This record gives sequence, C-alpha cells and structure tokens, in this order.
Amino acid sequence: ETGVTQTPRHLVMGMTNKKSLKCEQHLGHNAMYWYKQSAKKPLELMFVYSLEERVENNSVPSRFSPECPNSSHLFLHLHTLQPEDSALYLCASSQDSGSSYNEQFFGPGTRLTVL
Amino acid sequence: AQTVTQSQPEMSVQEAETVTLSCTYDTSESDYYLFWYKQPPSRQMILVIRQEAYKQQNATENRFSVNFQKAAKSFSLKISDSQLGDAAMYFCAYRGTPLVFGKGTRLSVIA
Repeated sequence: ETGVTQTPRHLVMGMTNKKSLKCEQHLGHNAMYWYKQSAKKPLELMFVYSLEERVENNSVPSRFSPECPNSSHLFLHLHTLQPEDSALYLCASSQDSGSSYNEQFFGPGTRLTVL
Repeated sequence: AQTVTQSQPEMSVQEAETVTLSCTYDTSESDYYLFWYKQPPSRQMILVIRQEAYKQQNATENRFSVNFQKAAKSFSLKISDSQLGDAAMYFCAYRGTPLVFGKGTRLSVIA
C-alpha cells in the first residue's frame, strides 16, 4: 500500500450504531487530519494530530471521537450520529502540521450515510 | 478568519482549449501558501499546483499555471490544452495557520 488509505470506502449506519473509520498513511508523515466534505460546502477541517497529539479540534460534536495511536494511524469513532452527518470523510497527512509549505496528501475518503 | 471563494460552481471547456478557474481569498497574513487541488470522480484529492505568497513569479506545472495577484488576493488556475482526464472538482486552498478550502469548481471537458 502506498500513500493514504481509508477503510471502509462506504458505510451505512443507523443513528444508534457505533462504528469507526480508519486511516493509514505510508508516507512517514508526522501530521494527520480528518475532514468532512458535504455537498456544496467547503471542506471542513475536523481534527488535526501532530505526533499523535491532537493540536486542533474545530468545534466538532462529541459524537465524533478521534484516536491517533501512532503517527501512521488515525481513527474516527462514530456514535449516535445524525442524518446531517452523512458526508464524505477524508483523511489527510503531511510532513508536519505547522509548516505552510507542506502539501497534504489525501485518502480516497469514506462515504458515510446515516439513516 | 481566512476565507476562500470560488465563484464558479461549474465550468466546461472543449478538449484542447484553455480554461481559467477563479479563486479569491481574504487574509491579514503576509506569509502563506496557496494551492489548487484536483478531486477526480474517484475522489482521491491530489495537489495540482502550489504558490508561495512571497514569490511574485507565477507557479507553473506543465499545462497548469496560476495567475497570482497578491494585492487583489486573487489566485486563478489556467489549464491549457485541456484533456478529458482534467474533468474533476477543483479546490482552491489557502494555507496560513489552518488550511482553508473553497467550495470547489466542477470542471467538465467536452470531447
């Protein structure tokens, strides 16, 4: 595997379910990100991790819970979601989170549908 | 807070022709980077081109070039000799302290 991978690619869940999204980067980067992409809206940055520590949390509801066990893996745990949470969830990584120069590399995304 | 505006939700171009996608941004920072990302129908977003704010020279990557007007806070993307594979969503992004994206422009290429 190369680059940034995400599993599952598609997920359908009920509002009472608990599920997790997984992201893995094979680039040796130190920073990882979760974004939410909804139709006709800009990408919304949800969480930023640098060296496994959360450095940014953009007022995301607590029903989204991130976890970064090491610099290569990032999870997004989901519970009691709402239908408006249906979106494409993108994971990205970069060399570090502080430098403006560094390009972010994106995964293919998980298409989440909440029924 | 920084904002990025892409005023063209959809654009189309004939194959082999040139198209320009618009982007404006708002910031009080003096040192930052600007990016154009491409998201094809397969959804994996990839970087197309990057511009450093302190460089006056416009960035160029093969058929892709930008027109960077710092005073006007404008950062347009020009695609020359358009190809069918250029069809995608294009996102303009500002990188200062956070990375801020515009809403995107959907580009269609007509054979």
